Amino acid sequence: KNEVEQSPQNLTAQEGEFITINCSYSVGISALHWLQQHPGGGIVSLFMLSSGKKKHGRLIATINIQEKHSSLHITASHPRDSAVYICAVKVVVRGSQGNLIFGKGTKLSVKP
Amino acid sequence: EAGVAQSPRYKIIEKRQSVAFWCNPISGHATLYWYQQILGQGPKLLIQFQNNGVVDDSQLPKDRFSAERLKGVDSTLKIQPAKLEDSAVYLCASSLVRGSSYNEQFFGPGTRLTVL
Repeated sequence: KNEVEQSPQNLTAQEGEFITINCSYSVGISALHWLQQHPGGGIVSLFMLSSGKKKHGRLIATINIQEKHSSLHITASHPRDSAVYICAVKVVVRGSQGNLIFGKGTKLSVKP
Repeated sequence: EAGVAQSPRYKIIEKRQSVAFWCNPISGHATLYWYQQILGQGPKLLIQFQNNGVVDDSQLPKDRFSAERLKGVDSTLKIQPAKLEDSAVYLCASSLVRGSSYNEQFFGPGTRLTVL
């Protein structure tokens, strides 16, 4: 079982729809990242959070530390939101800061 | 502020050939990471540098992969000889300080390697 699980793996939506991508993890973490990867490979960091909720434009990220679960929401989705969204957790490792463990990503396609 | 730079963006080679990738991190970032991302998977850490020292290279296939960061700034990742299964996107990332619990990593655009 992967330490970071994302769902769904693939998601197709119509423009304007509200989108939710989920991330569950099984390890102790100090922070969780949501990343966006467009075709071509480059990765952009959307959010880094360790508790509660963050909002940036049409994007909202929430995390529940007790349930080891995070969600990324996109309101009023647009075709330019089409990308792979990756959840990554910064693991707490005794004696060191630990590194990022990545989920496999959720491929989002928003149709006009 | 300039981001993480990588080159080349794309590379196609035949198996058993050698290839090198270059990364220039964000100015002042002490920590540099190389990741391998195979199609359909999340990135996998290959090596982490703190300044010019290696912090973690436990997942680096050392029989064919090597990396260096001689002056604590730019880094190169080399594969020699390449295998078909090395086809992937190679991502470089940097972060400000290793000791902070909240040091965000900034990623470069990646180098897409195809081994034929």
